[in-house]
Amino acid sequence: SYELTQPPSVSVSPGQTASITCSGDRLGDRYTCWYQQKPGQSPVLVIYRDSSRPSGIPERFSGSNSGNTATLTISGAQAMDEADYYCQAWDSSTYWVFGGGTKLTVL
Amino acid sequence: EVDLVESGGGLVQPGGSLRLSCAASGFTFSSYTMNWVRRAPGKGLEWVAYISSSSSTIYYADSVKGRFTISRDNAKNSVYLQMDSLRAEDSAVFYCARTRIAADDNKYYYYMDVWGKGTTVTVSS
Repeated sequence: SYELTQPPSVSVSPGQTASITCSGDRLGDRYTCWYQQKPGQSPVLVIYRDSSRPSGIPERFSGSNSGNTATLTISGAQAMDEADYYCQAWDSSTYWVFGGGTKLTVL
Repeated sequence: EVDLVESGGGLVQPGGSLRLSCAASGFTFSSYTMNWVRRAPGKGLEWVAYISSSSSTIYYADSVKGRFTISRDNAKNSVYLQMDSLRAEDSAVFYCARTRIAADDNKYYYYMDVWGKGTTVTVSS
């Protein structure tokens, strides 16, 4: 089965850049998306097709994917960006695959 | 406004059954594929089941295969998840999500662009 690995936690100071990684075998050969989930809320799509932003998502959110690693970058992180972040890809055997999630702390 | 509203969650004993529903509004439901995703307490998101727009293609996570059944009724703008033989480890918030599948030069991308607020399932004696 296909697996995606994320660091459990990432910390960033307000206004600095946060990078959250997602690793998987030849992940760069697949498209990846990212979701943000705040406590008590449902997930929100923040990046799809590796680097595309849905309407309404701030420009400080960006994504990239190459080799075995996809990266979600939050430039100028704000307190409101504190949340759990999940990467997701699709595999022909495992189908919809989520990473384990990364808790982003802005302090 | 595009919206998904889940219902049907609750407390059930191990081995019992529940049927979750997800009502869609604000978009042409019959044109979209749908997923169920869950998040157990203290855990991350876990994909559960997928159904294509015409119900012709259905996938399940290994953890629920043989116990859960996904279905949809396009006339009622609804997708369902029948859950049988429930276990304690099925306790979670269950979300339905509108799902998009598209391609660039034969390379497909998959994502869930609209999510409901979720319904809570607790399996306990």
